[in-house]
Amino acid sequence: GEDVEQSLFLSVREGDSSVINCTYTDSSSTYLYWYKQEPGAGLQLLTYIFSNMDMKQDQRLTVLLNKKDKHLSLRIADTQTGDSAIYFCAESIGNTGKLIFGQGTTLQVKP
Amino acid sequence: DSGVTQTPKHLITATGQRVTLRCSPRSGDLSVYWYQQSLDQGLQFLIHYYNGEERAKGNILERFSAQQFPDLHSELNLSSLELGDSALYFCASSEDPPHGGSPLHFGNGTRLTVT
Repeated sequence: GEDVEQSLFLSVREGDSSVINCTYTDSSSTYLYWYKQEPGAGLQLLTYIFSNMDMKQDQRLTVLLNKKDKHLSLRIADTQTGDSAIYFCAESIGNTGKLIFGQGTTLQVKP
Repeated sequence: DSGVTQTPKHLITATGQRVTLRCSPRSGDLSVYWYQQSLDQGLQFLIHYYNGEERAKGNILERFSAQQFPDLHSELNLSSLELGDSALYFCASSEDPPHGGSPLHFGNGTRLTVT
């Protein structure tokens, strides 16, 4: 079946690294995505990774993909208060263009 | 700014009514997707159109319908509204056909409240 799981909450101190984890079930996923949602706002695409890659780095963001375990993580270096938001992991399903989203992880950054 | 425009931002209506949500995709994007975000169900895929044709259907109720017009904008029609239809409805667009893998860019959503 199609399912994406995330932990619901993460709290870190400003300046620390944050790691948000995600597991997915569909082995045919071609792309995996991370989106950020701030209160009252839409979904902002942060980064995405092709399923044949292990890692992708984009400034403060590092995505790690373990395809064998179907595990995806997002590391935010030097976390800032402006990073406080809900982070969604999503997998693409086959060739449909459809995304399956996790429940979202609320990141709280304490000053 | 993602370049995807949704109107209206907020909509308050009564049960039994019908509403139309509108979406303009990013310039050049041929694919439009509709998602529903509610507290209990999370983000649910509703439907996908590519260049005017329906490509995939998700958990879309029969009371809901959508279309994509020749100018590529899309409308989501919700009828016989129920309290449980209150949610945030997102539109997203992408460049490629479904197999292309290009990321989805989301609008800011329309918040629908059914009273």
